[in-house]
Amino acid sequence: EIVMTQSPATLSVSPGERATLSCRASQSVTSNLAWYHQKPGQAPRLLIYGASTRATGIPGRFSGSGSGTEFTLTISSLQSEDFAVYYCQQYYDWPLTFGGGTKVEIK
Amino acid sequence: EVQLVGSGGGLVQPGGSLRLSCAASGFTFSSYTMNWVRQAPGKGLEWISYISSNGSTTYYANSVTGRFTISRDNAKSLLYLQMNSLRAEDAAVYYCATVAGGTGGWYTWGQGTLVTVSS
Repeated sequence: EIVMTQSPATLSVSPGERATLSCRASQSVTSNLAWYHQKPGQAPRLLIYGASTRATGIPGRFSGSGSGTEFTLTISSLQSEDFAVYYCQQYYDWPLTFGGGTKVEIK
Repeated sequence: EVQLVGSGGGLVQPGGSLRLSCAASGFTFSSYTMNWVRQAPGKGLEWISYISSNGSTTYYANSVTGRFTISRDNAKSLLYLQMNSLRAEDAAVYYCATVAGGTGGWYTWGQGTLVTVSS
Protein backbone atom coordinates (compact mmCIF):
# COMPACT_ATOMS: atom_id res chain seq x y z
CA GLU A 1 0.00 0.00 0.00
CA ILE A 2 1.26 3.47 -0.91
CA VAL A 3 1.38 5.66 2.19
CA MET A 4 0.72 9.37 1.68
CA THR A 5 2.18 11.72 4.29
CA GLN A 6 1.10 15.34 4.50
CA SER A 7 2.88 18.16 6.29
CA PRO A 8 2.38 20.17 8.31
CA ALA A 9 -0.63 18.80 10.16
CA THR A 10 -1.78 22.35 10.88
CA LEU A 11 -0.84 25.55 9.08
CA SER A 12 -1.72 28.95 10.58
CA VAL A 13 -1.89 31.65 7.94
CA SER A 14 -3.22 35.19 7.78
CA PRO A 15 -5.69 36.13 5.02
CA GLY A 16 -3.83 37.35 1.96
CA GLU A 17 -0.70 35.35 2.77
CA ARG A 18 0.75 32.45 0.79
CA ALA A 19 0.29 28.87 1.97
CA THR A 20 2.43 25.91 0.95
CA LEU A 21 1.27 22.38 1.71
CA SER A 22 3.37 19.24 1.18
CA CYS A 23 2.49 15.68 0.33
CA ARG A 24 4.94 12.80 0.12
CA ALA A 25 4.31 9.32 -1.28
CA SER A 26 6.08 6.23 0.04
CA GLN A 27 6.82 5.21 -3.57
CA SER A 28 6.45 6.89 -6.92
CA VAL A 29 2.90 7.71 -8.03
CA THR A 30 4.19 9.52 -11.16
CA SER A 31 1.67 12.39 -11.62
CA ASN A 32 -1.38 10.45 -10.44
CA LEU A 33 -2.11 12.76 -7.56
CA ALA A 34 -5.12 14.88 -6.63
CA TRP A 35 -5.76 17.54 -4.02
CA TYR A 36 -9.11 18.12 -2.28
CA HIS A 37 -10.27 20.47 0.39
CA GLN A 38 -13.09 19.95 2.83
CA LYS A 39 -15.01 22.32 5.05
CA PRO A 40 -16.87 21.14 8.17
CA GLY A 41 -20.07 19.30 7.36
CA GLN A 42 -19.41 19.31 3.62
CA ALA A 43 -18.22 16.78 1.08
CA PRO A 44 -14.66 17.14 -0.20
CA ARG A 45 -14.13 19.37 -3.25
CA LEU A 46 -11.62 18.58 -6.00
CA LEU A 47 -8.95 21.25 -6.49
CA ILE A 48 -6.15 19.67 -8.52
CA TYR A 49 -5.68 16.44 -10.47
CA GLY A 50 -2.77 15.08 -12.46
CA ALA A 51 -0.58 16.80 -9.82
CA SER A 52 -0.91 20.22 -11.47
CA THR A 53 -4.18 20.59 -13.41
CA ARG A 54 -6.80 22.78 -11.78
CA ALA A 55 -10.30 21.31 -11.68
CA THR A 56 -13.18 23.11 -13.34
CA GLY A 57 -14.12 26.26 -11.48
CA ILE A 58 -11.06 26.36 -9.21
CA PRO A 59 -9.48 29.84 -9.02
CA GLY A 60 -5.97 30.52 -10.25
CA ARG A 61 -4.60 31.16 -6.74
CA PHE A 62 -4.46 27.35 -6.34
CA SER A 63 -1.52 25.61 -7.99
CA GLY A 64 -0.08 22.12 -7.74
CA SER A 65 3.39 20.88 -8.55
CA GLY A 66 5.61 17.83 -8.22
CA SER A 67 5.86 14.30 -9.52
CA GLY A 68 7.11 10.96 -8.31
CA THR A 69 7.07 11.14 -4.53
CA GLU A 70 7.08 14.85 -3.67
CA PHE A 71 4.14 17.17 -4.25
CA THR A 72 3.17 20.69 -3.28
CA LEU A 73 -0.09 22.62 -3.20
CA THR A 74 0.32 26.39 -3.12
CA ILE A 75 -2.39 28.91 -2.38
CA SER A 76 -0.95 32.24 -3.47
CA SER A 77 -3.16 34.56 -1.42
CA LEU A 78 -5.47 32.96 1.12
CA GLN A 79 -9.11 34.02 1.06
CA SER A 80 -11.57 33.46 3.89
CA GLU A 81 -13.22 30.59 2.01
CA ASP A 82 -9.89 28.73 1.76
CA PHE A 83 -9.66 27.91 5.45
CA ALA A 84 -10.35 24.18 5.46
CA VAL A 85 -8.69 20.77 5.63
CA TYR A 86 -6.67 19.78 2.56
CA TYR A 87 -6.08 16.18 1.47
CA CYS A 88 -3.82 14.69 -1.16
CA GLN A 89 -4.74 11.38 -2.82
CA GLN A 90 -2.83 9.00 -5.04
CA TYR A 91 -4.62 7.13 -7.78
CA TYR A 92 -1.60 5.37 -9.24
CA ASP A 93 -2.14 2.02 -7.57
CA TRP A 94 -4.68 0.03 -5.56
CA PRO A 95 -5.66 0.55 -2.85
CA LEU A 96 -6.15 4.24 -3.50
CA THR A 97 -4.92 6.21 -0.52
CA PHE A 98 -5.31 9.65 1.00
CA GLY A 99 -2.91 11.62 3.13
CA GLY A 100 -3.89 12.42 6.69
CA GLY A 101 -4.74 16.01 5.85
CA THR A 102 -3.45 19.53 6.56
CA LYS A 103 -5.72 21.91 8.40
CA VAL A 104 -5.29 25.49 7.20
CA GLU A 105 -6.48 27.80 9.95
CA ILE A 106 -6.68 31.53 10.42
CA LYS A 107 -3.67 33.03 12.19
CA GLU B 1 -26.76 19.42 -13.24
CA VAL B 2 -24.48 16.51 -12.37
CA GLN B 3 -25.57 15.19 -8.98
CA LEU B 4 -25.11 12.26 -6.63
CA VAL B 5 -27.52 11.67 -3.74
CA GLY B 6 -26.64 9.09 -1.13
CA SER B 7 -29.10 7.29 1.10
CA GLY B 8 -29.53 4.21 3.28
CA GLY B 9 -27.46 5.15 6.30
CA GLY B 10 -28.64 4.66 9.86
CA LEU B 11 -28.07 2.89 13.15
CA VAL B 12 -27.10 -0.77 13.03
CA GLN B 13 -25.88 -3.20 15.67
CA PRO B 14 -22.39 -4.72 15.50
CA GLY B 15 -22.48 -7.73 13.21
CA GLY B 16 -25.44 -6.34 11.31
CA SER B 17 -25.89 -5.36 7.68
CA LEU B 18 -26.83 -2.24 5.78
CA ARG B 19 -27.11 -1.31 2.11
CA LEU B 20 -26.21 2.17 0.96
CA SER B 21 -27.43 3.65 -2.31
CA CYS B 22 -26.19 6.52 -4.43
CA ALA B 23 -28.56 7.94 -7.05
CA ALA B 24 -26.92 9.61 -10.03
CA SER B 25 -28.43 12.24 -12.30
CA GLY B 26 -27.36 14.75 -14.93
CA PHE B 27 -24.85 12.48 -16.67
CA THR B 28 -24.62 9.15 -18.46
CA PHE B 29 -24.11 6.97 -15.40
CA SER B 30 -23.16 3.87 -17.40
CA SER B 31 -20.10 5.63 -18.82
CA TYR B 32 -18.39 6.41 -15.53
CA THR B 33 -16.51 4.51 -12.86
CA MET B 34 -17.69 5.06 -9.29
CA ASN B 35 -16.15 5.01 -5.85
CA TRP B 36 -17.13 4.90 -2.19
CA VAL B 37 -15.12 6.92 0.34
CA ARG B 38 -15.76 7.12 4.06
CA GLN B 39 -14.84 9.45 6.89
CA ALA B 40 -15.01 8.39 10.52
CA PRO B 41 -16.00 11.13 13.00
CA GLY B 42 -13.18 13.65 13.33
CA LYS B 43 -10.90 11.62 11.04
CA GLY B 44 -9.59 11.82 7.49
CA LEU B 45 -10.80 10.37 4.22
CA GLU B 46 -10.55 6.65 3.45
CA TRP B 47 -11.21 5.17 0.02
CA ILE B 48 -13.04 1.88 0.38
CA SER B 49 -14.27 0.65 -3.01
CA TYR B 50 -14.24 1.15 -6.80
CA ILE B 51 -16.41 -0.24 -9.59
CA SER B 52 -15.85 0.02 -13.33
CA SER B 53 -18.45 1.54 -15.64
CA ASN B 54 -19.97 -1.80 -16.61
CA GLY B 55 -19.56 -3.36 -13.17
CA SER B 56 -17.15 -6.05 -14.27
CA THR B 57 -14.19 -4.84 -12.20
CA THR B 58 -14.19 -4.00 -8.51
CA TYR B 59 -11.55 -3.15 -5.93
CA TYR B 60 -11.73 -2.86 -2.15
CA ALA B 61 -9.68 -1.48 0.71
CA ASN B 62 -8.16 -4.18 2.91
CA SER B 63 -10.30 -2.95 5.81
CA VAL B 64 -13.57 -3.99 4.10
CA THR B 65 -12.56 -6.86 1.79
CA GLY B 66 -14.82 -9.85 2.30
CA ARG B 67 -17.46 -7.84 4.18
CA PHE B 68 -18.52 -5.09 1.75
CA THR B 69 -19.73 -5.48 -1.84
CA ILE B 70 -20.01 -2.69 -4.38
CA SER B 71 -22.47 -2.99 -7.26
CA ARG B 72 -24.39 -0.85 -9.72
CA ASP B 73 -27.59 -0.82 -11.75
CA ASN B 74 -26.87 1.20 -14.87
CA ALA B 75 -30.49 1.03 -16.02
CA LYS B 76 -31.56 2.82 -12.83
CA SER B 77 -28.43 5.01 -12.43
CA LEU B 78 -27.86 3.59 -8.98
CA LEU B 79 -24.69 2.66 -7.11
CA TYR B 80 -24.81 0.37 -4.08
CA LEU B 81 -22.63 -0.63 -1.16
CA GLN B 82 -23.73 -3.76 0.69
CA MET B 83 -22.11 -3.76 4.12
CA ASN B 84 -22.13 -6.98 6.18
CA SER B 85 -20.56 -7.96 9.50
CA LEU B 86 -20.41 -4.32 10.52
CA ARG B 87 -17.98 -3.27 13.23
CA ALA B 88 -17.74 -0.21 15.45
CA GLU B 89 -14.86 1.04 13.30
CA ASP B 90 -17.12 1.10 10.23
CA ALA B 91 -19.07 4.00 11.72
CA ALA B 92 -18.56 6.93 9.37
CA VAL B 93 -20.06 9.23 6.79
CA TYR B 94 -20.03 7.40 3.48
CA TYR B 95 -19.62 9.35 0.24
CA CYS B 96 -20.02 8.24 -3.36
CA ALA B 97 -17.74 9.99 -5.84
CA THR B 98 -17.12 10.12 -9.58
CA VAL B 99 -15.16 11.91 -12.31
CA ALA B 100 -18.42 12.93 -14.03
CA GLY B 101 -18.91 16.68 -14.28
CA GLY B 102 -15.21 17.36 -14.62
CA THR B 103 -12.26 16.27 -16.72
CA GLY B 104 -10.22 14.37 -14.15
CA GLY B 105 -10.17 13.52 -10.46
CA TRP B 106 -13.33 12.93 -8.41
CA TYR B 107 -15.18 16.10 -9.36
CA THR B 108 -18.63 15.13 -8.13
CA TRP B 109 -19.42 13.84 -4.65
CA GLY B 110 -22.62 12.85 -2.90
CA GLN B 111 -23.65 14.69 0.22
CA GLY B 112 -22.71 11.76 2.44
CA THR B 113 -24.80 9.32 4.43
CA LEU B 114 -24.10 8.55 8.09
CA VAL B 115 -23.65 5.00 9.34
CA THR B 116 -23.65 4.43 13.09
CA VAL B 117 -22.67 1.04 14.49
CA SER B 118 -23.69 0.58 18.10
CA SER B 119 -25.57 -1.78 20.36
